[in-house]
Amino acid sequence: DGGITQSPKYLFRKEGQNVTLSCEQNLNHDAMYWYRQDPGQGLRLIYYSQIVNDFQKGDIAEGYSVSREKKESFPLTVTSAQKNPTAFYLCASSIDGDRTGYTFGSGTRLTVV
Amino acid sequence: GDSVTQMEGPVTLSEEAFLTINCTYTATGYPSLFWYVQYPGEGLQLLLKATKADDKGSNKGFEATYRKETTSFHLEKGSVQVSDSAVYFCALSAGGTSYGKLTFGQGTILTVHP
Repeated sequence: DGGITQSPKYLFRKEGQNVTLSCEQNLNHDAMYWYRQDPGQGLRLIYYSQIVNDFQKGDIAEGYSVSREKKESFPLTVTSAQKNPTAFYLCASSIDGDRTGYTFGSGTRLTVV
Repeated sequence: GDSVTQMEGPVTLSEEAFLTINCTYTATGYPSLFWYVQYPGEGLQLLLKATKADDKGSNKGFEATYRKETTSFHLEKGSVQVSDSAVYFCALSAGGTSYGKLTFGQGTILTVHP
């Protein structure tokens, strides 16, 4: 079955470390997105990519980086510059976000220890 | 800019009660509108959508009608079940230069008691 796989499900990071969250899709979708979810704040867009080798900053890109070397993969790196990284991170993809909406992964919960 | 406002939560209902979750939006042009549902510890699932004014989206007993005159997309269900307990998000996609980007409301927590 097609879908989006995020890994790991839980991730613990020490202060000052960079960590990378994986997102893989086999839906043949061109567009992929990363959102951050905090309690009571809904979802905020970090980065998005509409095509391979191209990506744009979302509303809260500071302290994060991404790459899009393959259509299937859109990894997110949370750098040490991100001052408050503890959150639930959601990856999504779409074939036509305007009309069909997104397919979401099951999320990665990142905690700074 | 584009924005989505959902009714304040949480919402607590008894099983078989009627549900309404209000959603209003601000956007230029003619956005597409969506409702997503999130169960504990999971990602979001698309519940229903509407792409033009007066369209009604429906799925699993839930309905929402795209009202351009009131810029609203309220979610309704006639008889809720315990299994409907989840967080519900209203979202829009404005198209144009925002192509493919969704703007989400803050979410409404629904708890249904037996």
